[in-house]
Amino acid sequence: QQQVKQSPQSLIVQKGGISIINCAYENTAFDYFPWYQQFPGKGPALLIAIRPDVSEKKEGRFTISFNKSAKQFSLHIMDSQPGDSATYFCAASKGSNYQLIWGAGTKLIIKP
Amino acid sequence: DAGVIQSPRHEVTEMGQEVTLRCKPISGHNSLFWYRQTMMRGLELLIYFNNNVPIDDSGMPEDRFSAKMPNASFSTLKIQPSEPRDSAVYFCASSDRRFNYGYTFGSGTRLTVV
Repeated sequence: QQQVKQSPQSLIVQKGGISIINCAYENTAFDYFPWYQQFPGKGPALLIAIRPDVSEKKEGRFTISFNKSAKQFSLHIMDSQPGDSATYFCAASKGSNYQLIWGAGTKLIIKP
Repeated sequence: DAGVIQSPRHEVTEMGQEVTLRCKPISGHNSLFWYRQTMMRGLELLIYFNNNVPIDDSGMPEDRFSAKMPNASFSTLKIQPSEPRDSAVYFCASSDRRFNYGYTFGSGTRLTVV
């Protein structure tokens, strides 16, 4: 019940296309869902996050869609650029527990 | 702020040697996390501290691993004795639970045990 399942493991998208990464969770107590972006040789960096009281959050070209009934959330990258090539992690946590449960990561490659 | 600072960036050591990894969290952050990242196992939480107190060390692989946080601005992760299977990138992250849940990660220490 503590798992967060992320797919796909890897993704290749043409420049200008839409990149979509999906995550699913089981624990309905989770109330915070962040996405992290990691470039080679760097630590993960918080990209965008959502709470279950909203169904969508947008920041620039990055959008999180959240489906509470399906226990799924996804990251959409619009107009994908080569600079978006990185590994993306979804995560979840519950209240004061605070410990993040991480997805396995998706390696995204944007082809010029 | 310089962010979370880890040292060294790279460490190559022989099996059986003691290894100490260091972390300086962001000033004012009250939570600190040690993670290990490998291709096979992804990101694994080893231990985390709140207000310098270890809260959960269930992720520490075995007794060879130990972590300390003697004050709010410094933490160490020690491996003694080191083994080749400990080779990984070790990340330290800090956060301020009072305001948001975002973690700030350091750039990591790439450990190679030969």
